[in-house]
Amino acid sequence: AQSVTQLGSHVSVSEGALVLLRCNYSSSVPPYLFWYVQYPNQGLQLLLKYTSAATLVKGINGFEAEFKKSETSFHLTKPSAHMSDAAEYFCAVSGGGKLIFGQGTELSVKP
Amino acid sequence: GAVVSQHPSRVICKSGTSVKIECRSLDFQATTMFWYRQFPKQSLMLMATSNEGSKATYEQGVEKDKFLINHASLTLSTLTVTSAHPEDSSFYICSAKGGRIDTTEAFFGQGTRLTVV
Repeated sequence: AQSVTQLGSHVSVSEGALVLLRCNYSSSVPPYLFWYVQYPNQGLQLLLKYTSAATLVKGINGFEAEFKKSETSFHLTKPSAHMSDAAEYFCAVSGGGKLIFGQGTELSVKP
Repeated sequence: GAVVSQHPSRVICKSGTSVKIECRSLDFQATTMFWYRQFPKQSLMLMATSNEGSKATYEQGVEKDKFLINHASLTLSTLTVTSAHPEDSSFYICSAKGGRIDTTEAFFGQGTRLTVV
């Protein structure tokens, strides 16, 4: 069975600081991994996805993630946080035609 | 990206009544649609997966007679919460995929906030 674990339910950074949101996966087959962002009372928007091509994936809004098989990780990063990045972030793995989500990480950005 | 429209965005209904939520893919054909439920400050819980023209596959613990899902066309899926009760109050989100392989990304609707009073 596939699963993802997001380390840290809440992360707080200062505006302009590095954003690092952690995601570890468990999968018996090569995984397809996704990062989504959710703003309050809205659906989810895809930030980026890994589908076994380049291990460093660049997404929208300056976010990127690196697939590391040896560490079973797919951490999300952004060099410089912006106030508008404050939201809930979900890591997900695709398996059996459906998405399995992590618990989510709430990102707060302080001015 | 592709657009998925979910309607209504908010609904309040009386206990014992039924409410229907629509999920439409506006610019692509959605061969697969998913319905999720999200509790406050929690992740998305998959309720069911529906493929166009076939019966929905429900996750374990989800009452299929209570949460009726219809995926009659390639652009529309509906979730009907029957005989709603206050404990059904939640945020419901649909998503749609244009293909059935795992690399295909899913696009999400805006969500529906259901309040049962």
